[in-house]
Amino acid sequence: QSVLTQPPSVSGAPGQRVTISCTGSSSNIGAGYDVHWYQQLPGTAPKLLISGNSNRPSGVPDRFSGSKSGTSASLAITGLQAEDEADYYCQSYDNSLSGAVFGGGTKLTVL
Amino acid sequence: QITLKESGPTLVKPTQTLTLTCTFSGFSLSTSGVGVGWIRQPPGKALEWLALIYWDDDKRYSPSLKSRLTITKDTSKNQVVLTMTNMDPVDTATYYCAHRQLDTAMGSWGQGTLVTVSS
Repeated sequence: QSVLTQPPSVSGAPGQRVTISCTGSSSNIGAGYDVHWYQQLPGTAPKLLISGNSNRPSGVPDRFSGSKSGTSASLAITGLQAEDEADYYCQSYDNSLSGAVFGGGTKLTVL
Repeated sequence: QITLKESGPTLVKPTQTLTLTCTFSGFSLSTSGVGVGWIRQPPGKALEWLALIYWDDDKRYSPSLKSRLTITKDTSKNQVVLTMTNMDPVDTATYYCAHRQLDTAMGSWGQGTLVTVSS
C-alpha cells in the first residue's frame, strides 16, 4: 500500500482531457513538500514529466500540467494522444519516513 | 547530458547479498544539493524508493528495508553502490538508479537492471 494514493487506471479518447490525482497526508504533500510526476512508457525507465508541482522539464509538451493543493496534487493531460498511453507516478517526500515516497501508479489508456 | 547505468548480477540466490553499481556522467556528486537514489520495481508493480545518498554523504533509507541496505559513493569514480543483504524471491525487481536534482526530483534515470532472486 503506497503512501501516496493514485487511481489505478484512467482512460480517455484522443483529443480529450484527463486528470490523475495523487492524495497524500500532512506528513508529505500537506507538509509543503513538492510533488513530481513521472511517465513510464511500456518497457522503459521512468521519465521526469513534472517537477516542483508544476514545472515542465525541457522537451515535455505543454499538454502536460501539474498542480497541488492541500494534501493532494494532480496531473492533467490535454489533447490526449495515443503516445501518452503509459503508467504515471507521483512522488514526494515524507517527513515521518524521512525519505521519498511514490504513488502506486496510474495506467492511462487512450481509447 | 546526464547519464546513469546500473550494473550487477542478474541472478542471486536467496540469502545472498546483492551489490549494484551505478556509474554516472554529466554531473558531480560533490555539487551541493545533488544526490543519487535507488528505486526498484517488481514485475508489473509500482515503483519503490530504496535509498538516497547526498553530495555531503548524508544517507537516507526506506524504513522498511533500512536494516538490509547500505549505500555508498565514490566521487572520484562517479559511482554509487547499493548493497542489499539477505535477498529473497520477493526482491525480484528491476533496480534503477537516478539523479536527484536540486529541486529534489529524480531528473534522470538509468535504464534499470532486472535482478532475479531464485535458487
